[in-house]
Amino acid sequence: ELKVEQNPLFLSMQEGKNYTIYCNYSTTSDRLYWYRQDPGKSLESLFVLLSNGAVKQEGRLMASLDTKARLSTLHITAAVHDLSATYFCAVDKGAQKLVFGQGTRLTINP
Amino acid sequence: DVKVTQSSRYLVKRTGEKVFLECVQDMDHENMFWYRQDPGLGLRLIYFSYDVKMKEKGDIPEGYSVSREKKERFSLILESASTNQTSMYLCASAFTGWTGAYNEQFFGPGTRLTVL
Repeated sequence: ELKVEQNPLFLSMQEGKNYTIYCNYSTTSDRLYWYRQDPGKSLESLFVLLSNGAVKQEGRLMASLDTKARLSTLHITAAVHDLSATYFCAVDKGAQKLVFGQGTRLTINP
Repeated sequence: DVKVTQSSRYLVKRTGEKVFLECVQDMDHENMFWYRQDPGLGLRLIYFSYDVKMKEKGDIPEGYSVSREKKERFSLILESASTNQTSMYLCASAFTGWTGAYNEQFFGPGTRLTVL
């Protein structure tokens, strides 16, 4: 059974700092997704990572995938308040059936 | 832009009632999904559908059924609502590219269901 674990689950950080959210999963998969959710809103797709070694960047966010280690990271560079949200990773266990992590609630303080 | 809409943002029902949650997407996506979201558990897949009249169970199908009579519409049905089905329900749709490369799922705004 595929399990997906994120850590940390809660993260409070200051503007301007760097930090990383980790997503570990238990069985082989070559597709991993990162989503963002603002309070009271739905999920917004951030990144789709399709192969080992994939790295994608958008603004202050960078995601990477290591399929051998079954690990994805979401790195935040020089955080700004607008990045406060809950971030989910999701692993495809086949045919778009996704298993989500618990989510990481990120709060960025001025 | 892909648009996924859900019939209600908030819904309050009583135990034992039959509940229908509707989802409509406007991008001609083949695949549609229903999830429930609970604090600390992330999203969990209830049911999904690859095509009209086709459905498959997800990870937590007990107590739920679905209907897909038209490509753009996917309904989640709670035959007899119970308090443990109080949750946020999210619908999603996705395109299956002809190359087999799957794209990300696009989510609706969610329905917060409370069962009293």
